[in-house]
Amino acid sequence: SAVISQKPSRDICQRGTSLTIQCQVDSQVTMMFWYRQQPGQSLTLIATANQGSEATYESGFVIDKFPISRPNLTFSTLTVSNMSPEDSSIYLCSVEGSGAAGEQYFGPGTRLTVT
Amino acid sequence: TQLLEQSPQFLSIQEGENLTVYCNSSSVFSSLQWYRQEPGEGPVLLVTVVTGGEVKKLKRLTFQFGDARKDSSLHITAAQPGDTGLYLCAGRGSGTYKYIFGTGTRLKVLA
Repeated sequence: SAVISQKPSRDICQRGTSLTIQCQVDSQVTMMFWYRQQPGQSLTLIATANQGSEATYESGFVIDKFPISRPNLTFSTLTVSNMSPEDSSIYLCSVEGSGAAGEQYFGPGTRLTVT
Repeated sequence: TQLLEQSPQFLSIQEGENLTVYCNSSSVFSSLQWYRQEPGEGPVLLVTVVTGGEVKKLKRLTFQFGDARKDSSLHITAAQPGDTGLYLCAGRGSGTYKYIFGTGTRLKVLA
């Protein structure tokens, strides 16, 4: 398994501003994933981040709104840009374990409220 | 688009009761996982199933993968308040590294 930490754990931001969320893993991993979980909902994949290449975004998510960095094999950031109240969600990062079935391990999440 | 529908969406039961949560799709998955998420935390992996018809047990939890690998179930025996949480299934199709998450089942076990 992997131990994942996220910063900040929660934040309240004003509309129009940006917030950068950090994700740190205790071991080197190839792929890191960023998810959004809207209030009371399931998880939706935003993008996949590989070290040394641009992130791959899912339908409905764009780089200008959610720029991602992946400077090394243990760290990634997700920025939520030009925020609106609709961006209020929990943002989660995850990594894939080393097992053959590709289990995912999640960070504790960042709870974002946009006012 | 692959979809994973979970039922029921909400479940409130008394301590000691049994329950089953279902995860259904029209797509075939190479593997399927179950997670439990508690408030303020990320999802925690409970089990991974990869073989059609596979049954796995984790204490009072029994997980089954459908023969055709399109569906799965989670059965909890003698539920306890500590079982309260959001249960999520997640499936991965062949040839992809991505998991699709189910719609979720929110379980509340009353003491």
